[in-house]
Amino acid sequence: RKEVEQDPGPFNVPEGATVAFNCTYSNSASQSFFWYRQDCRKEPKLLMSVYSSGNEDGRFTAQLNRASQYISLLIRDSKLSDSATYLCVVNGGGSYIPTFGRGTSLIVHP
Amino acid sequence: EAGVAQSPRYKIIEKRQSVAFWCNPISGHATLYWYQQILGQGPKLLIQFQNNGVVDDSQLPKDRFSAERLKGVDSTLKIQPAKLEDSAVYLCASSLDNRAQYFGPGTRLLVL
Repeated sequence: RKEVEQDPGPFNVPEGATVAFNCTYSNSASQSFFWYRQDCRKEPKLLMSVYSSGNEDGRFTAQLNRASQYISLLIRDSKLSDSATYLCVVNGGGSYIPTFGRGTSLIVHP
Repeated sequence: EAGVAQSPRYKIIEKRQSVAFWCNPISGHATLYWYQQILGQGPKLLIQFQNNGVVDDSQLPKDRFSAERLKGVDSTLKIQPAKLEDSAVYLCASSLDNRAQYFGPGTRLLVL
């Protein structure tokens, strides 16, 4: 089993739709979690941190389920500009060693 | 605030040649990471530094890859000799607190 798994998609949704991605992780001792966005031929950019209590930033909501070992990202009212690859990152071990998922591709169409 | 700087942005070499990449992290960031990203995959951690010490290099192919971070600031990643399968984007990232990372623009390497 891979340490961090994501459905690669692509998720193809119309503008205005709500879409959700999950990311599962195998190390129960993982300590911190993040979502990154990566546009084609660009570097990953931090989208948001994922806290145990969940967090929301505008149209984006991230949640952590430690019992089932997954994190989720919900995007409401999708925009064309949300089209990108969404990467989850799980930090584990005493030194917060990061492991990336392979990314989920989102395509928002008119 | 200046971001993470990397050079060169692009590099084309022939197999068995050597290549080096340079990274300057965000000022004050103690943690520096080098990743390899192959098309269609997520970034794979090669090495993580905390100041000038190595935290993790378990996925660094040490027979051909080396990295150093002298003085705990800039870092270089070297490949010698390069193989065709080393064609990828090499990303450098830095972090203030071992958590959220900020990436440089990457170096696109093509090995012919």
